[in-house]
Amino acid sequence: DTAVSQTPKYLVTQMGNDKSIKCEQNLGHDTMYWYKQDSKKFLKIMFSYNNKELIINETVPNRFSPKSPDKAHLNLHINSLELGDSAVYFCASSLLLNPGRLETQYFGPGTRLLVL
Amino acid sequence: GESVGLHLPTLSVQEGDNSIINCAYSNSASDYFIWYKQESGKGPQFIIDIRSNMDKRQGQRVTVLLNKTVKHLSLQIAATQPGDSAVYFCGTQGGSEKLVFGKGTKLTVNP
Repeated sequence: DTAVSQTPKYLVTQMGNDKSIKCEQNLGHDTMYWYKQDSKKFLKIMFSYNNKELIINETVPNRFSPKSPDKAHLNLHINSLELGDSAVYFCASSLLLNPGRLETQYFGPGTRLLVL
Repeated sequence: GESVGLHLPTLSVQEGDNSIINCAYSNSASDYFIWYKQESGKGPQFIIDIRSNMDKRQGQRVTVLLNKTVKHLSLQIAATQPGDSAVYFCGTQGGSEKLVFGKGTKLTVNP
């Protein structure tokens, strides 16, 4: 009965490779997010989707491309991986996010990416 | 822009004592404030939130205090237990849809 799940939990890969991280939520939420947490534990938003529509796109390299096949899934594809991409990536979800409305976000367990 | 900081990166307390974790924010337009707890190897877990029309909110053993005048937020944990050991993040939201997190305070509870 996991609420927000991510796969894989660990990902070790070589520089230059392309990889994907998958996220699924069974909370019935309409909004999903991707966050990056660096080695100093700083947590920063990357993307947000409302009902499969991109609503937040922070300054993230074009190598990162989120894809939402349906509102319960938000995957993150990373091209040409670099050393600096090593981090923990968290998926989260919330009720529909409208301007001026604030909804609690529920996080997945994280995907630990190590680029060698 | 928005920035959120924490006064102390680490906090060590004795089991049974009360803990206070502080947070400062810069955006006057912030109207939603939230605390998350992150245990080692896990994702952030929601603890408590507060909106700008309140200055205090209580949960189970936790209290959040908001001082909008000095842009300060605190999390108080009563009778701290070993299971409270984690990194605690404050977050703010206002003006835009995105939640901005602080850097985190690592709480260690000594038996």
